[in-house]
Amino acid sequence: GQQLNQSPQSMFIQEGEDVSMNCTSSSIFNTWLWYKQDPGEGPVLLIALYKAGELTSNGRLTAQFGITRKDSFLNISASIPSDVGIYFCAGSTDSWGKFQFGAGTQVVVTP
Amino acid sequence: DAGVIQSPRHEVTEMGQEVTLRCKPISGHNSLFWYRQTMMRGLELLIYFNNNVPIDDSGMPEDRFSAKMPNASFSTLKIQPSEPRDSAVYFCASSPQGGVFGYTFGSGTRLTVV
Repeated sequence: GQQLNQSPQSMFIQEGEDVSMNCTSSSIFNTWLWYKQDPGEGPVLLIALYKAGELTSNGRLTAQFGITRKDSFLNISASIPSDVGIYFCAGSTDSWGKFQFGAGTQVVVTP
Repeated sequence: DAGVIQSPRHEVTEMGQEVTLRCKPISGHNSLFWYRQTMMRGLELLIYFNNNVPIDDSGMPEDRFSAKMPNASFSTLKIQPSEPRDSAVYFCASSPQGGVFGYTFGSGTRLTVV
């Protein structure tokens, strides 16, 4: 079952708006990842975070590794229609890369 | 780069039948992961391999599930006998350095057991 709490579960936004989502855990993680999944496809890695407090951007996407190491945030600025999809966070304490995934945030962008 | 290749993309089988899912990781990647995705349980790690050796299979739900990686370019996930509750999308993923830097997922196999 899920051990990460990802919120919100879904978001309906207008094109051009900013989007924020987050993940929290009762466990301390060494690595946070953010993925996006399109219908019928596997998740695609967006951003990887390795240090508490780290802030990393990938185009219009910005993610942060929380100071407590128990949370992470993803922001999407100026959303566009192709941002539609399910966004997953994943956390790991395992040097082998064994990640726990959040339940996902469904993003719907309307024109 | 062809990415992680999974086959088949869709599989429909009757309860009790054996099902074999196949995965070809990205060339040069030494770690391979099998995940299962359902609406109820989300993405669950089933098993992962490093240099063809199973490292952790604690996520394999039952003895009906088995996975092999006979060489660096091929892995299988087998379910025998299959049950309706096994219906899910099964993903294979690979990574060049363990999985700590994230991994590349295949497109998945959608399994339906009727």
